[in-house]
Amino acid sequence: GDSVTQMEGPVTLSEEAFLTINCTYTATGYPSLFWYVQYPGEGLQLLLKATKADDKGSNKGFEATYRKETTSFHLEKGSVQVSDSAVYFCALSMNTGFQKLVFGTGTRLLVSP
Amino acid sequence: DTEVTQTPKHLVMGMTNKKSLKCEQHMGHRAMYWYKQKAKKPPELMFVYSYEKLSINESVPSRFSPECPNSSLLNLHLHALQPEDSALYLCASSQEVMGRQPQHFGDGTRLSIL
Repeated sequence: GDSVTQMEGPVTLSEEAFLTINCTYTATGYPSLFWYVQYPGEGLQLLLKATKADDKGSNKGFEATYRKETTSFHLEKGSVQVSDSAVYFCALSMNTGFQKLVFGTGTRLLVSP
Repeated sequence: DTEVTQTPKHLVMGMTNKKSLKCEQHMGHRAMYWYKQKAKKPPELMFVYSYEKLSINESVPSRFSPECPNSSLLNLHLHALQPEDSALYLCASSQEVMGRQPQHFGDGTRLSIL
């Protein structure tokens, strides 16, 4: 079945460091890909999305590029802030049929001053 | 600010109580979802409504009873819950159940069963 694999956390960084959170997927067709962020005590917020190969999603300094050849959608940010501390979920949904979200296990990011 | 509003934010109930969780969205979305999220885990899908009709029930126990009174509202009625049902319950909505539009989540109701 369809699945998403994320790197294990926590990822611990100092403020202004470069961030990469790896995400790879397995799907029988061509899914849409998403990054969601969950701040402590809150629900999930859509961070960015990409619906086809080579699309780049970007928001709030975060970026991810849909790479069909490597089945990846890695999340990057050039300079993290303490306020970026949260859990990040990579997810996919298929573009045909019912749009069920398949989540990765989540990666906790801790940014220290 | 989230565009999907859930109430209450916190709920503590005994195993014999009956309570309801509420979810509201005004984005004109025609698909609405209930998820359950345990600590340090991703959300798990429970129910899907499409155009106010129940489309998917992910084998959820009958002590959870969803209801969609209109296109903007989604309820989850709770009765005779077990301690293992303690979790964060998230509501989400999307344009349609098919297609490429993302799901938008509320902040959830944190439920504790005594």
